[in-house]
Amino acid sequence: EAGVAQSPRYKIIEKRQSVAFWCNPISGHATLYWYQQILGQGPKLLIQFQNNGVVDDSQLPKDRFSAERLKGVDSTLKIQPAKLEDSAVYLCASSSDRVNYSPLHFGNGTRLTVT
Amino acid sequence: SQQGEEDPQALSIQEGENATMNCSYKTSINNLQWYRQNSGRGLVHLILIRSNEREKHSGRLRVTLDTSKKSSSLLITASRAADTASYFCAPRRNYKLSFGAGTTVTVRA
Repeated sequence: EAGVAQSPRYKIIEKRQSVAFWCNPISGHATLYWYQQILGQGPKLLIQFQNNGVVDDSQLPKDRFSAERLKGVDSTLKIQPAKLEDSAVYLCASSSDRVNYSPLHFGNGTRLTVT
Repeated sequence: SQQGEEDPQALSIQEGENATMNCSYKTSINNLQWYRQNSGRGLVHLILIRSNEREKHSGRLRVTLDTSKKSSSLLITASRAADTASYFCAPRRNYKLSFGAGTTVTVRA
């Protein structure tokens, strides 16, 4: 099966600019996750979708971050305006999650550098 | 918190040796998952152990789970250079899956 696709692979922007990341999950996977991974740390969940509804966005900085999942498939994550501390790898993952026992499948991430 | 905490933070071993890392967590869980991350890549699922299981094997991997102690361990036997990576445990409670900071394993040739 095709894996989770993410783009772009790398992005460099200046602080206060905006940026968007795109994710295409594995076909048929109902659950989609966006994680932020700062260098040397584990992934931190930003938002979790079940189909096109939000399950958890408790750690999403909603004043600057937004995410959507149209038609329950692809998803975009946007940052506006970016801050220096947003420099990180943004990982998208998906799972079939019918009974909470499904593993997550990750994309290779987007490495964001904010200067 | 539900987040897993791995120990040690870093591990360096000789090729052919075994590597053991531990994970502790604080709440009841449905299952616990282990993932590997190679440098510059996404995480790859290694093994999932359910809360009613005590041990699970997959190839050279052996995972144990002790729910009474809220801990898990991952053993990699006969390590290879390709096992050099960061390893993360992720306890799952209902829909929430939280990752720790990971154990960085370096396998020396």
